[in-house]
Amino acid sequence: EAGVAQSPRYKIIEKRQSVAFWCNPISGHATLYWYQQILGQGPKLLIQFQNNGVVDDSQLPKDRFSAERLKGVDSTLKIQPAKLEDSAVYLCASSLHLAGGLGGYNEQFFGPGTRLTVL
Amino acid sequence: GESVGLHLPTLSVQEGDNSIINCAYSNSASDYFIWYKQESGKGPQFIIDIRSNMDKRQGQRVTVLLNKTVKHLSLQIAATQPGDSAVYFCAGGNQAGTALIFGKGTTLSVSS
Repeated sequence: EAGVAQSPRYKIIEKRQSVAFWCNPISGHATLYWYQQILGQGPKLLIQFQNNGVVDDSQLPKDRFSAERLKGVDSTLKIQPAKLEDSAVYLCASSLHLAGGLGGYNEQFFGPGTRLTVL
Repeated sequence: GESVGLHLPTLSVQEGDNSIINCAYSNSASDYFIWYKQESGKGPQFIIDIRSNMDKRQGQRVTVLLNKTVKHLSLQIAATQPGDSAVYFCAGGNQAGTALIFGKGTTLSVSS
């Protein structure tokens, strides 16, 4: 089956500019995640969707970051305006159900990520 | 607060040796733990998981050990190959469906 698709793969912008990332999860996966991975660190969740509803956005810097999954399939993550510290890889992942929702672990499948450089 | 971290940032081994990558966690509420492998330019790839009510689980060439007394888990890779070179992360999760919490990662380098 096709994996999680993300675009673009790389993006270079100047601070205060805007940028958007796109993610298409595995077909049929209800849960979608956006993670931020700063160089040398593990991924950190930004936002989690169940279908088109937000499950967890507690770590999303809402003054500059926004995300949507309007039809419960693909999703976009936007940063406006970008700061230097936003330089990172932005990973999208999907799982069939909400993690653990059926009493067990539901594997998250990750996309290749978008590497953002803010100058 | 919650955290999942790894003991060593880098590990270098010879091809054919066994590798052991360690991880300490602080959140006792985690219901399961997962090991991921991340190669350069790629997203994390699932290796193996273990529920919190288990102390050992084996896969193909990999074994995960969980010691809840000292809040420690390890990933053992048998007969390490050059293709195993990557960054390895442990992550903790719970059945309530909250987000996975990842540690910082250990870079495994395998030399021929």
